[in-house]
Amino acid sequence: QLQLQESGPRLVKPSETLSLTCSVSGGSISSSPYFWVWIRQSPGTGLEWIATIHYGGSTYYNPSLKSRVAIFVDTSKNQFSLNLYSVTAADTAVYYCARYSYVPNWFDPWGQGTLVTVSS
Amino acid sequence: QSALTQPRSVSGSPGQSVTISCTGTSSDVGGYDRVSWYQQQPGKAPKLMIYDVNRRPSGVPDRFSGSKSGNTASLTISGLQAEDEADYFCCSYATDNMRFGGGTKLTVL
Repeated sequence: QLQLQESGPRLVKPSETLSLTCSVSGGSISSSPYFWVWIRQSPGTGLEWIATIHYGGSTYYNPSLKSRVAIFVDTSKNQFSLNLYSVTAADTAVYYCARYSYVPNWFDPWGQGTLVTVSS
Repeated sequence: QSALTQPRSVSGSPGQSVTISCTGTSSDVGGYDRVSWYQQQPGKAPKLMIYDVNRRPSGVPDRFSGSKSGNTASLTISGLQAEDEADYFCCSYATDNMRFGGGTKLTVL
């Protein structure tokens, strides 16, 4: 059974970089045709797709965050990661990683999520 | 403000049916048959309930069904059970994005 687990700092200072890693177990991150995504959820903005990556290196970003985001994959560790630069309090949210299928179209499964707070 | 519009809350009694709407535009819901629905219990990760408008993953009860008309997608839950009480989110593919609804809290009375 495929499982995803987020890890990373829970507290980040304003203007710094938020870095998270998603570890995939029970399956290979190199399993085509799937993609891997980061999604966040905050009380103010609900669920928001952040970025998508394929193990081959193709990346896709939410236009509203594109200037501050980078997504990476490490197939040797079966992990993928997110960097969100120059964070503000508005970036405080629960961050989820998930597997994405383009056709058929769905996110499944999701990690448990990790709350990241941006505060000095 | 979410990209897709959902009612904030709906409610129903056990055994009844409820329908949750998800309204977008021709650039997302209306333009693609790629609408999915997720159930989220308090403190838990979202769970896939419906994909591609009306397809159900294995393990999801057939009480859950999806449909779409124009720019509005709908999730119908029939034969409501107490365990269905949760938040429900819709999601639609868009050309350069994936858009979510703001979520609907389902209360089973």
